[in-house]
Amino acid sequence: QSALTQPASVSASPGQSITISCTGTSSDIGGYNHVSWYQQHPGKAPKLIIYEVTNRPSGVPDRFSGSKSGNTASLTISGLQTEDEADYYCNSYTSSNTRVFGGGTKLTVL
Amino acid sequence: EVQLVESGGGLVQPGRSLRLSCAASGFTFDDYAMHWVRQAPGKGLEWVASIREDSGSIDYADSVKGRFTISRDNAKNSLYLQMNSLRPEDTAFYYCAKDAAWSLDYWGQGTLVTVSS
Repeated sequence: QSALTQPASVSASPGQSITISCTGTSSDIGGYNHVSWYQQHPGKAPKLIIYEVTNRPSGVPDRFSGSKSGNTASLTISGLQTEDEADYYCNSYTSSNTRVFGGGTKLTVL
Repeated sequence: EVQLVESGGGLVQPGRSLRLSCAASGFTFDDYAMHWVRQAPGKGLEWVASIREDSGSIDYADSVKGRFTISRDNAKNSLYLQMNSLRPEDTAFYYCAKDAAWSLDYWGQGTLVTVSS
C-alpha cells in the first residue's frame, strides 16, 4: 500500500493554470476510474473536489478539472484564485479493496 | 445537512487502547459505506479503514491491521474505531468520512489522538 506520488509543491500567480500529477500503478489508478481529489485548507477537514476521475460535486467551480492517462491522474486548476491556496490530495481505490492517498501537494498562489 | 461528529480522542500511553466514535446525521446512514482517515500533525492523509453498509465487508490499511477494528451501529447512526496496542506513530487527527461514488464526499472535523508516555 505505497502512497501515490504527487509533487510536494506547486506555485503560480492568480489567473494562471496549474496541473498536479498523481502517479500510481496498474493496481490502483491504472486499473480503475475511482480516482478522487481533495482540497484541504489549514486547520480544516478535507473537501471533495473531483470524483470518478473527472466529475465535480455540486458547488465546486468548473475551474477544477480532472483527467487520467495510464497510471497517472491529474488535477488542473485554471484561472487560479487566492482562495485556491491549499493542500491537494489524490486518492484511488486499489485491487486490495482498500484506498490509497497521495502524499499531498501544497499549492501556493503568489 | 450531512453532519459527521467524531469524539473519543485524547492522550493515551503507548500500548493502551482507545475507542473513537462518529455520530452521523442528515443522511440515511445504513445506505452508505463509511471510512476512517487519519492525518499526523503536519503530514498527509492516510486511509485507515472502511466498512460497508451492512458491515459485510471490512478493510484495513496494513499499518493498522490486527490492532484496529472498525464497526458501526446502524440503529444509532454511529461509526466506531477501536484502537488497541497504540503506538506513537498512531498520533494523528482521525476523521470519519462518508463514502459515495468511490470517493469520500463528507468529512467530520476530526478528533486528535496523541500516543505518548
